[in-house]
Amino acid sequence: DQQVKQNSPSLSVQEGRISILNCDYTNSMFDYFLWYKKYPAEGPTFLISISSIKDKNEDGRFTVFLNKSAKHLSLHIVPSQPGDSAVYFCVRNNDMRFGAGTRLTVKP
Amino acid sequence: ETGVTQSPTHLIKTRGQQVTLRCSSQSGHNTVSWYQQALGQGPQFIFQYYREEENGRGNFPPRFSGLQFPNYSSELNVNALELDDSALYLCATQTGSYGANVLTFGAGSRLTVL
Repeated sequence: DQQVKQNSPSLSVQEGRISILNCDYTNSMFDYFLWYKKYPAEGPTFLISISSIKDKNEDGRFTVFLNKSAKHLSLHIVPSQPGDSAVYFCVRNNDMRFGAGTRLTVKP
Repeated sequence: ETGVTQSPTHLIKTRGQQVTLRCSSQSGHNTVSWYQQALGQGPQFIFQYYREEENGRGNFPPRFSGLQFPNYSSELNVNALELDDSALYLCATQTGSYGANVLTFGAGSRLTVL
């Protein structure tokens, strides 16, 4: 039952370029989506959220876009840095349902 | 350092045994939740405690149980361990009464069931 889907298990980008991580959902009933990142041997840490009434939220290098008609959201990281290399999870707030995660590797 | 501490960090059990995992928070948040993260998957919600009462539960059988203590520390107990219980178990405290529920996670306890 993949109500929150991150279809790309991994993504590799060059330092300084844009990273785009995608997330699709099937149930339209939500109030927020959140993004978390996870480094090895650490718990996930909160990165950014977006409300269902918004289509964009920006925080420094991180921007999340929400397309409700397509039931799709994306996290943009610009410019990408090697320290951004981590696993990124998309999470629906109502029931704390996590996607499977995307492993981002930023190459120097 | 997130202020959420979990113990033990690693442990190995055999099928049929019981395990207790522990979680404490420096900040004393009164909401704690537990997650199971199997290899290659995202964390799955097990249950949440608020002021020592279970306040929500995911799709896990009753052999997964928990406790929250007056000092806001918490335990996850798993009885009759099965091989599929092998996973990283994460504890999280929660901030944000309104709006997005931001979770602060511990580093996790990695359980291996042989």
